[in-house]
Amino acid sequence: AQTVTQSQPEMSVQEAETVTLSCTYDTSESDYYLFWYKQPPSRQMILVIRQEAYKQQNATENRFSVNFQKAAKSFSLKISDSQLGDAAMYFCAYRGSGNTPLVFGKGTRLSVIA
Amino acid sequence: GAVVSQHPSWVICKSGTSVKIECRSLDFQATTMFWYRQFPKQSLMLMATSNEGSKATYEQGVEKDKFLINHASLTLSTLTVTSAHPEDSSFYICSATTGTSYNEQFFGPGTRLTVL
Repeated sequence: AQTVTQSQPEMSVQEAETVTLSCTYDTSESDYYLFWYKQPPSRQMILVIRQEAYKQQNATENRFSVNFQKAAKSFSLKISDSQLGDAAMYFCAYRGSGNTPLVFGKGTRLSVIA
Repeated sequence: GAVVSQHPSWVICKSGTSVKIECRSLDFQATTMFWYRQFPKQSLMLMATSNEGSKATYEQGVEKDKFLINHASLTLSTLTVTSAHPEDSSFYICSATTGTSYNEQFFGPGTRLTVL
């Protein structure tokens, strides 16, 4: 079974600084997708960024980027120029091919200090 | 596009009663819907996978007779918590997928269930 591990229960960052959230996963599949979701206090799950395993290029979405190391099964999220609105719970998630469900890590709570 | 709604957003019920939660894909046809449960300060735990027109597949440890799932159409799945008890109080989230190769899931806003 696939597993996702987030080793940082909590992180904090100064406003305008950069922070990196860690995520590792375990799978024997070759075709899969990785995601980072943000869950603010409203609890609505918001997709931050996604990465297809077959793509070597790291995904980037504005201030958010990932460092995808397929051999190491590592998928970290970098948030640049952190803003107060970035404060939330962040979940790393894995999904295999087909209509399979997401497998979530335990999450990292990010605080942004003004 | 790709909006998923849930109704109700918050429900309070008495112990022993049943509660139905609806999950709708508003602007796309969802071949598969997933139901998750989230306890405070914890991650999302998959309860079941629901495919249109077929029986739901439940995760190990989830009581299928307590959590009834019906995916009657390509835009609607329902979760009924039968004979609810205080320990069923939780945040329930559904997600839907079109089944494309891109594999993105779209999440509903969740339903907070409180059983007194």
